[in-house]
Amino acid sequence: GAVVSQHPSRVICKSGTSVKIECRSLDFQATTMFWYRQFPKQSLMLMATSNEGSKATYEQGVEKDKFLINHASLTLSTLTVTSAHPEDSSFYICSALLGGEGETQYFGPGTRLLVL
Amino acid sequence: DQQVKQNSPSLSVQEGRISILNCDYTNSMFDYFLWYKKYPAEGPTFLISISSIKDKNEDGRFTVFLNKSAKHLSLHIVPSQPGDSAVYFCAASATGGTSYGKLTFGQGTILTVHP
Repeated sequence: GAVVSQHPSRVICKSGTSVKIECRSLDFQATTMFWYRQFPKQSLMLMATSNEGSKATYEQGVEKDKFLINHASLTLSTLTVTSAHPEDSSFYICSALLGGEGETQYFGPGTRLLVL
Repeated sequence: DQQVKQNSPSLSVQEGRISILNCDYTNSMFDYFLWYKKYPAEGPTFLISISSIKDKNEDGRFTVFLNKSAKHLSLHIVPSQPGDSAVYFCAASATGGTSYGKLTFGQGTILTVHP
């Protein structure tokens, strides 16, 4: 199946700093990637849709200036959590869309962010 | 407004038996459905999908059934194995229109397969 990687897998940072998370599609090109957030014992919450070469589309309630998304190539999207606060601590997961009959999303392994 | 619902938070099954996970949806624009398996602190793993033009899709031990009139789909795992123990998410998308590729997830069902 299609492989998506994320880096880092875990990050601890101080409040007020910025953190960048990378999402890469390793064996296919993805014009569209997605960023999700998962709180404990809850489902995945879509944050934004990342389109290669254009601005990301954010879901309602997600601050675009806080969660900066860049999709500079067909295999890489980055999510930067700016001026992180403890409430931003969460599990962030990206996915890449493999086109075809059903437009299946393949997910990365996730990044655990802890803001102290 | 929960457009995709998995009403059973958990399911416990004996090894070798069939596991049936259910999912209901309300949005009639959904035309593509997927099942993902997820372990804690990992990303979801794609299992199987079905297009609305079909009512059944099979891949090894996994079969997904779609009942469009009832807006219901189910995932059958047979025979169940202890390694199948995980959280299973149902997801749906409307492939036409502006929400290209966007998935709406259910709340998940925790499957436990006992040896």
